[in-house]
Amino acid sequence: DAGITQSPRHKVTETGTPVTLRCHQTENHRYMYWYRQDPGHGLRLIHYSYGVKDTDKGEVSDGYSVSRSKTEDFLLTLESATSSQTSVYFCAIRGHNSPLHFGNGTRLTVT
Amino acid sequence: DAKTTQPPSMDCAEGRAANLPCNHSTISGNEYVYWYRQIHSQGPQYIIHGLKNNETNEMASLIITEDRKSSTLILPHATLRDTAVYYCIVRVANTNAGKSTFGDGTTLTVKP
Repeated sequence: DAGITQSPRHKVTETGTPVTLRCHQTENHRYMYWYRQDPGHGLRLIHYSYGVKDTDKGEVSDGYSVSRSKTEDFLLTLESATSSQTSVYFCAIRGHNSPLHFGNGTRLTVT
Repeated sequence: DAKTTQPPSMDCAEGRAANLPCNHSTISGNEYVYWYRQIHSQGPQYIIHGLKNNETNEMASLIITEDRKSSTLILPHATLRDTAVYYCIVRVANTNAGKSTFGDGTTLTVKP
């Protein structure tokens, strides 16, 4: 959908291990976002980017870092995964004056 | 971005119109109203947006009150496939780093 791909789609990892989720777009959009979705909390913004090497924190950024070295890729890294980071992660992209388009999500389980 | 308030759940009979309300009493003059929906396990999908005029597209209609403090999303002939969580958000369209805050949305259940 809208040229946005998230990988992997599913991942199981152990507590304390590093994890990187990838969001790739083919739309050349400037803005990219990472959300997490948990039961009872809706969608919460983790980090977002408004250009290459330009990123900022969202409302639940603790324990996460991001990088955007090129327009098409936005990486979300959990430096040391914890069980509280078990969630479904959605990436979204947005062009100038256009709505958000979301990927299909990555389901992450931290055991 | 202004905060929105939506009822947690609604039911609708198949084939009837579904009217989903949203309150955004603190909306600013340059903030748009956007509607998205999320069908189980999928990423949210954009439906429609508007500033102050009513809008219609192939999916839905958006009615915004004159004072812009509330809006209604209308699905004219709901089908079972319209069962989803519907999110109303307000945001400025042209910010340099427009972040969008999603609330809990309204779970619409379309019943046969």
